[in-house]
Amino acid sequence: AQSVTQLGSHVSVSEGALVLLRCNYSSSVPPYLFWYVQYPNQGLQLLLKYTSAATLVKGINGFEAEFKKSETSFHLTKPSAHMSDAAEYFCAVIGNNNDMRFGAGTRLTVKP
Amino acid sequence: DTGVSQNPRHKITKRGQNVTFRCDPISEHNRLYWYRQTLGQGPEFLTYFQNEAQLEKSRLLSDRFSAERPKGSFSTLEIQRTEQGDSAMYLCASSPISAGGSNEQFFGPGTRLTVL
Repeated sequence: AQSVTQLGSHVSVSEGALVLLRCNYSSSVPPYLFWYVQYPNQGLQLLLKYTSAATLVKGINGFEAEFKKSETSFHLTKPSAHMSDAAEYFCAVIGNNNDMRFGAGTRLTVKP
Repeated sequence: DTGVSQNPRHKITKRGQNVTFRCDPISEHNRLYWYRQTLGQGPEFLTYFQNEAQLEKSRLLSDRFSAERPKGSFSTLEIQRTEQGDSAMYLCASSPISAGGSNEQFFGPGTRLTVL
């Protein structure tokens, strides 16, 4: 069965520093992977998705993620954090039933 | 605005009461999903529809929960005899059917339920 695990429930970086949010997946078939962002009391907004077209995926707001099959990883990065990046980030994979299976989330804090 | 909308945004109810939430998906999307999100957790799948047909239901969806999408457009999620454990954010999402199965899901703002 497809699943994802997010390593680190909280990540704190300084403004301008590299952001790295970790996600590992488990899947018996080539996975479709996603990163979503959630601001307080709001729904989820798609940052980017991997659909096997390219291993390095660029998303909105300067985020990107690299699919590494050998490491079963799909980590999210951004070269320079901005205060507005502070939010909850969710990694997700499409399951057998067309449901989206989410990780537990990583809360990103950006310090001035 | 052509995004997914949900109503109400907030609902406070007493234990034992029934509640109903509504979701209006993006108009051309065939699939509609319901998720539940509790504090500090990722969303958990409840059920999904393709047009008016309910194709999958999670084991999380107890017999107190029922969802409908009568005309393949908007959907309702009803919880009967609410319990305090039902307090959560209920999220709706919709997606088109695309070749290859890489269906991106578009989420609404959610309905936050508090059961007293």
